[in-house]
Amino acid sequence: ETGVTQTPRHLVMGMTNKKSLKCEQHLGHNAMYWYKQSAKKPLELMFVYNFKEQTENNSVPSRFSPECPNSSHLFLHLHTLQPEDSALYLCASSQSGTSGANVLTFGAGSRLTVL
Amino acid sequence: SQKIEQNSEALNIQEGKTATLTCNYTNYSPAYLQWYRQDPGRGPVFLLLIRENEKEKRKERLKVTFDTTLKQSLFHITASQPADSATYLCARDNFNKFYFGSGTKLNVKP
Repeated sequence: ETGVTQTPRHLVMGMTNKKSLKCEQHLGHNAMYWYKQSAKKPLELMFVYNFKEQTENNSVPSRFSPECPNSSHLFLHLHTLQPEDSALYLCASSQSGTSGANVLTFGAGSRLTVL
Repeated sequence: SQKIEQNSEALNIQEGKTATLTCNYTNYSPAYLQWYRQDPGRGPVFLLLIRENEKEKRKERLKVTFDTTLKQSLFHITASQPADSATYLCARDNFNKFYFGSGTKLNVKP
């Protein structure tokens, strides 16, 4: 399988649940990202990992907890979420550190609904 | 603060016409800008990248321009087709952190 794969594609959870989103990239990239996409708002950068090290935490509430065990896998652990956290969560990867411009390859997203 | 903006939320055009989408940036000078296409319920897909020293870039029916004086990039789709209907996003890269405009939803009517 190639590209960036996200699971699950759809997730419904209560405010007291704990769940995780998973992302896997098969492109050999060394940087991975989590974005949040809400209706009529720009993509919001949440977290960036370069070579498994977190290099960006864009003031994201602690109820979102990322984990990057290796350069190919990225998780977003969710707990005690609020209804306003309902959104499409997108994972992306890129090859950082090379000369020239880098571009993002996105997964299909995980649609999260918090009840 | 550094901003990247797409002021048109939606654009409706007739099939066969040229669609032109606008991306403006303020308070910085990007080395390059990127354009992505996003279909409903899917992740964005990279289309084109243009550097600040390139006036124009083409790929099949797509053309991107970069005007550093106007602080603007234009994205053109010539001979548009209903299959081109999607949301188009521009993005800038700041030390490998990518920031996106809010997108323009293009609707090509047959």
